[in-house]
Amino acid sequence: SQKIEQNSEALNIQEGKTATLTCNYTNYSPAYLQWYRQDPGRGPVFLLLIRENEKEKRKERLKVTFDTTLKQSLFHITASQPADSATYLCALGLLNYGGSQGNLIFGKGTKLSVKP
Amino acid sequence: EPEVTQTPSHQVTQMGQEVILRCVPISNHLYFYWYRQILGQKVEFLVSFYNNEISEKSEIFDDQFSVERPDGSNFTLKIRSTKLEDSAMYFCASSPLREGQPQHFGDGTRLSIL
Repeated sequence: SQKIEQNSEALNIQEGKTATLTCNYTNYSPAYLQWYRQDPGRGPVFLLLIRENEKEKRKERLKVTFDTTLKQSLFHITASQPADSATYLCALGLLNYGGSQGNLIFGKGTKLSVKP
Repeated sequence: EPEVTQTPSHQVTQMGQEVILRCVPISNHLYFYWYRQILGQKVEFLVSFYNNEISEKSEIFDDQFSVERPDGSNFTLKIRSTKLEDSAMYFCASSPLREGQPQHFGDGTRLSIL
């Protein structure tokens, strides 16, 4: 069966450390993978997108890797801050039959808490 | 920065009633989506819409659901006869035409069915 799993429901780290979140999937062939941030009562906010032929993407303190052999993506936040506390969602991007935009398949998310 | 807006932010409705959730996507986007998130669960895809027709839909999107783009700016989700299990956050999203572009989400409508 098809599954997308994020390694843990909650992750607690100390301010200044690097947070590493994991996303694993089975029986999907995503064209790309996206990471979103979701705060309580708000909609997902886009952070980073990585395509199937890319290994790594960076944006400021954020880094994402994508290993299609392992069927895994890692999301890193370096020099974490209390303001980074939120739920982080992994989403697989599929293409529709015409090869253009398809829907996203979301993981359940990892709730990150950064303690001062 | 342009954003997706949704109204109302909270809708309370009696079971069996019809509801219409409204969304204004980002103006130059061409793909539109509805997702839902039941409390404590993951965000689930409902339907995508392009060129005035449904592009894809999930198993959740049964005959009780319909979508419409009644004019050049609004995108609506109608639930014909609501059930208790329809209680959830409903998110609208939009994206440009090109493949692999991020989807931009609104802040959702919390739908509570009594």
